[in-house]
Amino acid sequence: EVQLVQSGAEVKKPGESLKISCKGSGYSFTNYWIAWVRQMPGKGLEWMGIIYPGDSDTRYSPSFQGQVTISADKSISTAYLQWSSLKASDTAMYYCARRYSDSGAGYWYFDLWGRGTLVTVSS
Amino acid sequence: DIQMTQSPSSLSASVGDRVTITCRASQSISTYLNWYQQKPAKAPNLLISAASTLQSGVPSRFSGSGSGTDFTLTISSLQPEDFATYYCQQTYSTYTFGQGTKLEIK
Repeated sequence: EVQLVQSGAEVKKPGESLKISCKGSGYSFTNYWIAWVRQMPGKGLEWMGIIYPGDSDTRYSPSFQGQVTISADKSISTAYLQWSSLKASDTAMYYCARRYSDSGAGYWYFDLWGRGTLVTVSS
Repeated sequence: DIQMTQSPSSLSASVGDRVTITCRASQSISTYLNWYQQKPAKAPNLLISAASTLQSGVPSRFSGSGSGTDFTLTISSLQPEDFATYYCQQTYSTYTFGQGTKLEIK
């Protein structure tokens, strides 16, 4: 089955570090970009960044540059999103999603999503 | 950055109604526009890509149109399972989402 499986919910204190994961299976993980999307409680979707697991080429949204680090380990088909010092405002659901196109010409879309990892940051 | 603005932010409608949601880009994005549906506590689900290409398995009552800066998502006859939040997304330059349109039962 083609799927992205995300790590479980996390409860952390402000200032703590965290790394959450997204493991792909059922397809060639190294050949498709993986995006991270934030959804704060009751709010909309925000694209955070994207990584190509084949060579770890990474792009960040300006809003998230310097705030998080996206990485990947292609040997275990897993992408990561990490924080070095969490803030209460990082409380959100975080989704990973596969970037895909069946038509070429740059018509990308996010066709496969993980179920999300809920991160709660509270003192 | 390209900004995406959806209208309305929320909408009340009845089963059987025809509904249109609008998405406007801050600059021309050709047809690099996708639509997603999200139900509570679920991940988003892709409905339409490239402004008007219906994804496999998506009911034909959903349709998309537009190019340049103005786009629409239309549901021709609302079904109970369509009450959800809808997001547009541009992929012309990075991957910005609109703020969402919550479709509620009247």
